Amino acid sequence: GAVVSQHPSRVICKSGTSVKIECRSLDFQATTMFWYRQFPKQSLMLMATSNEGSKATYEQGVEKDKFLINHASLTLSTLTVTSAHPEDSSFYICSANRGRRLAGLDTQYFGPGTRLTVL
Amino acid sequence: RKEVEQDPGPFNVPEGATVAFNCTYSNSASQSFFWYRQDCRKEPKLLMSVYSSGNEDGRFTAQLNRASQYISLLIRDSKLSDSATYLCVVLDSNYQLIWGAGTKLIIKP
Repeated sequence: GAVVSQHPSRVICKSGTSVKIECRSLDFQATTMFWYRQFPKQSLMLMATSNEGSKATYEQGVEKDKFLINHASLTLSTLTVTSAHPEDSSFYICSANRGRRLAGLDTQYFGPGTRLTVL
Repeated sequence: RKEVEQDPGPFNVPEGATVAFNCTYSNSASQSFFWYRQDCRKEPKLLMSVYSSGNEDGRFTAQLNRASQYISLLIRDSKLSDSATYLCVVLDSNYQLIWGAGTKLIIKP
């Protein structure tokens, strides 16, 4: 099946620093990628939809200036958490849509996630 | 009321037993339904889609009840490796994926 990678898998940083997370589709081109955040024992929450070559669409309540998304190519989207604070500590997961039929969901492939801990 | 609700569990079940859990959704116009499995500190993996007529995949059976707005997952002959959190996902009428918080299942030897 299709493979999506994320890097880094785990990061620990000091409060106030910025952290960049990469999401790559390794064997297919993804015009759309999604960024999710998951707090312990909670559901995945969609943060933003990243479209190649255009600005990301952010969900309500997600600060676009704090969570910078860049989808520079059909295989790479990056999420930068700027001026991270302890409350930003979470599990960040990306997914890439391989086909057009999102409704099928079987065309959406998840990365392994990045665990961010802000001290 | 949450859009997608699941009993968080944990469900502690002996190996070999049958276990079932439900997921309720609030939007009657929801289009598609899925069960995902998530292991601790890992990404979710698609377990199965849920079709209107119900569907079965080996030991796993998924059912959809549109009238009562819930989907169910039944696991027969449970195995230790079935221990995970099972996430219910609903595609709503705006093509947005709404995730449940998951039901934790622990299979005990």
